[in-house]
Amino acid sequence: DVKVTQSSRYLVKRTGEKVFLECVQDMDHENMFWYRQDPGLGLRLIYFSYDVKMKEKGDIPEGYSVSREKKERFSLILESASTNQTSMYLCASSRRLVLHTQYFGPGTRLTVL
Amino acid sequence: AQKITQTQPGMFVQEKEAVTLDCTYDTSDPSYGLFWYKQPSSGEMIFLIYQGSYDQQNATEGRYSLNFQKARKSANLVISASQLGDSAMYFCAMREGVTGGGNKLTFGTGTQLKVEL
Repeated sequence: DVKVTQSSRYLVKRTGEKVFLECVQDMDHENMFWYRQDPGLGLRLIYFSYDVKMKEKGDIPEGYSVSREKKERFSLILESASTNQTSMYLCASSRRLVLHTQYFGPGTRLTVL
Repeated sequence: AQKITQTQPGMFVQEKEAVTLDCTYDTSDPSYGLFWYKQPSSGEMIFLIYQGSYDQQNATEGRYSLNFQKARKSANLVISASQLGDSAMYFCAMREGVTGGGNKLTFGTGTQLKVEL
C-alpha cells in the first residue's frame, strides 16, 4: 500500500512565525504536491515537484516556498505565517506517468493566531 | 472560468439507493483524465475512479461508475446501493494534457453526501 505521511495532524502557530510542514512518501514516487483545502473552494495546488530539487508553482504559491532535497520528502514552508494561511494542508504523491492517480496524506490542519 | 464544476454542495440519499453526483469540466485539451475522490470526516482523500478522455467505455470500480458524456463535458459519479459509510465529501478532479506538468490535478469544490437510514 502507498503510504503518505504528514508530520502533524494539527498545528497552531502565531502570526509571523516560520512554519514547516513535512511530507514523506514510501513508494518511490517521482511527483509530490502540496494543496490547501478551504470550505467552498475545494483543493488548490500550492506547489509541486517532479524530481529532487525541482519545483514548480501551482495556482496559489504566494506566501509559500517548498524544498525537495530527497525523493521521499517534500516540505512546505511558510516564511512568515499569516492568519489567512489558516487552512487544511494536504500532501500527495504520484508516479511520473500522467495516467497514475495521486495518493494523499492525512492532512495537517494549521491554525495561525 | 471554472475548470471543474460541482453544482451540488450537498446531497441526501437513502441507504441502498443509487445516487448520482454531478461534475462538468472545461478544457480545450483533447487528452485529459477525470478522477473522483472521497474524503471522509477523517480528512484523508481516497481515490475512487478514473476515466481517460480516449476511453471508449465508462469506468467502473465496484459500486462506483463514472457516467462519461464527452460531448456534454460531464463526468458524473454514480454510487449504487448506498451504504452509511459512503457519507463523505466527494471531489471531482481533472488532469489536462500528457506532457510536462507532473500530473497536476484541478479539483472541484466538492459535494457533501449524507446517506440516511
